[in-house]
Amino acid sequence: AQTVTQSQPEMSVQEAETVTLSCTYDTSESDYYLFWYKQPPSRQMILVIRQEAYKQQNATENRFSVNFQKAAKSFSLKISDSQLGDAAMYFCAPTQEEGAQKLVFGQGTRLTINP
Amino acid sequence: DTGVSQDPRHKITKRGQNVTFRCDPISEHNRLYWYRQTLGQGPEFLTYFQNEAQLEKSRLLSDRFSAERPKGSFSTLEIQRTEQGDSAMYLCASSSASSGNTIYFGEGSWLTVV
Repeated sequence: AQTVTQSQPEMSVQEAETVTLSCTYDTSESDYYLFWYKQPPSRQMILVIRQEAYKQQNATENRFSVNFQKAAKSFSLKISDSQLGDAAMYFCAPTQEEGAQKLVFGQGTRLTINP
Repeated sequence: DTGVSQDPRHKITKRGQNVTFRCDPISEHNRLYWYRQTLGQGPEFLTYFQNEAQLEKSRLLSDRFSAERPKGSFSTLEIQRTEQGDSAMYLCASSSASSGNTIYFGEGSWLTVV
């Protein structure tokens, strides 16, 4: 079974600074997608950023960017200029099967923003 | 685009009762997923539909759980003879190839079994 490891259960960062959340995964697929979702206290899963595994270029979405290392099966999320509204649980989730696009979630990283 | 909607948002039920949750996916999405999330854990996959066909069910989905998507639009997830261990948030999500295979989640349905 595919596994996803988020080795940082909790992280904290000062407002306006940069933080990186790590994620490693195991897959036998060659073509898949990877997502980062945030889950604030309201519990809704909100998409932060996505990456196609066949693309070498790292995805960027405003203050959010990823460092995707396909061979190492690593998919870290960098948040620049952290804002109070970034405080949430962050989940890394690769898709397991190309057809089904099932997501497999890690345990999550709780991010705290210090004012 | 109104997003994925779920109903009810919260449900408290007595052990042994049946409950049903409804999910309305984003209108053009042909794939629909159900996940379950307990406190402190990431969501776990339960089942997946492509159009009206249920293509995969997790081993987590016991015989007391059944999901349908009769016309390939909305879906229902029914839990029969609820147990306290069923207390969780049930998340619905949808996607399609035409929308870049990005998976969008609803706000979830909280179930508390007392």
